[in-house]
Amino acid sequence: GQQVMQIPQYQHVQEGEDFTTYCNSSTTLSNIQWYKQRPGGHPVFLIQLVKSGEVKKQKRLTFQFGEAKKNSSLHITATQTTDVGTYFCASLGGRNTPLVFGKGTRLSVIA
Amino acid sequence: KAGVTQTPRYLIKTRGQQVTLSCSPISGHRSVSWYQQTPGQGLQFLFEYFSETQRNKGNFPGRFSGRQFSNSRSEMNVSTLELGDSALYLCASSLRTEKNTEAFFGQGTRLTVV
Repeated sequence: GQQVMQIPQYQHVQEGEDFTTYCNSSTTLSNIQWYKQRPGGHPVFLIQLVKSGEVKKQKRLTFQFGEAKKNSSLHITATQTTDVGTYFCASLGGRNTPLVFGKGTRLSVIA
Repeated sequence: KAGVTQTPRYLIKTRGQQVTLSCSPISGHRSVSWYQQTPGQGLQFLFEYFSETQRNKGNFPGRFSGRQFSNSRSEMNVSTLELGDSALYLCASSLRTEKNTEAFFGQGTRLTVV
């Protein structure tokens, strides 16, 4: 079945530094979704990318979908302590296929 | 509108017992998916129900089963519990239309098997 690999598994940054997590697949993805899970919480939807080469921004967060639709990235500029949590990418293989998640990148921000 | 509700929030069970978890999706959502979350393993897909039919199933043993009722509420059952079944079980509901596939998660049920 479809799988998405996510790196790195952990990232520790000083507050104010940038952070990037990457999501890769060996097969072409129909779309890519990103979720954030705060410590002790549940995953919350951030964004969906559908088009090849698509770039979307949400304040300090920039999401990209690769030209070949096999990879994606989430970049956070000037991290803050509120960015702490685990970021997951997820993808649907097709119309009636399940939403499959990567293993996530756990971000720690040191103040 | 109300979010996804999972009950109970916490459970402690003994090896060999069985357990039933419940999930009430957002009103109007016909798709309910279940995930198992353990440290280091991320979110592992268990199964998805859509309009009372199991549409997809993950790679879990037959001890894990589920169902969906006509009001879209879903239950999952784990029989003959093992220590390794200790995890956070998350339910997600979605419209699952062509344009809207966003998943909304419940708070989860924390299951501990002793």
